[in-house]
Amino acid sequence: ETGVTQTPRHLVMGMTNKKSLKCEQHLGHNAMYWYKQSAKKPLELMFVYSLEERVENNSVPSRFSPECPNSSHLFLHLHTLQPEDSALYLCASSQAWVNNQPQHFGDGTRLSIL
Amino acid sequence: GQQLNQSPQSMFIQEGEDVSMNCTSSSIFNTWLWYKQEPGEGPVLLIALYKAGELTSNGRLTAQFGITRKDSFLNISASIPSDVGIYFCAHGSSNTGKLIFGQGTTLQVKP
Repeated sequence: ETGVTQTPRHLVMGMTNKKSLKCEQHLGHNAMYWYKQSAKKPLELMFVYSLEERVENNSVPSRFSPECPNSSHLFLHLHTLQPEDSALYLCASSQAWVNNQPQHFGDGTRLSIL
Repeated sequence: GQQLNQSPQSMFIQEGEDVSMNCTSSSIFNTWLWYKQEPGEGPVLLIALYKAGELTSNGRLTAQFGITRKDSFLNISASIPSDVGIYFCAHGSSNTGKLIFGQGTTLQVKP
């Protein structure tokens, strides 16, 4: 139990579908992150929220839309995805968005685009 | 941009052997972190290093922050089958929480 819970664990969707990934952290952290993990590639940072405000957006296509309603919850809304978007999507949290705080990860959502 | 090289890419060892992996960078950093990821799970933090020269242990794992602040290594002593997984290094350089991850070292242990 890492304190970061992601749902669903697996998701298969067509390119025209709309779905959302959910992340919840029980650690009292103030920063939350979305990463994309593809085979043979390093973890790619997608979005960062600090105290519910987006502070980092790494040139992610607009078909990925994050939402952070409070410091414990983070969503990633998906629409009209492409096959190359198939990957493991990891959520993480840290105490704060300062001074290289260790990040704690959830177990990810395995996304497959048909 | 910042380049982070992690080696080796993979290792296949016999149970009981010691393991060593390392990460090097072209720039100086303030933090080195080591994570382990098992199949079907997210990365789990093993060791965090914050000072050049720092040597920290976590059970059979030992990690060091290089004196030059451009590298770090992770050693696993007397490996066991449950050590199997992908080990990632990560570093942070700025005053933000942004981390850059290595490509990972896949470890397999033969009983």
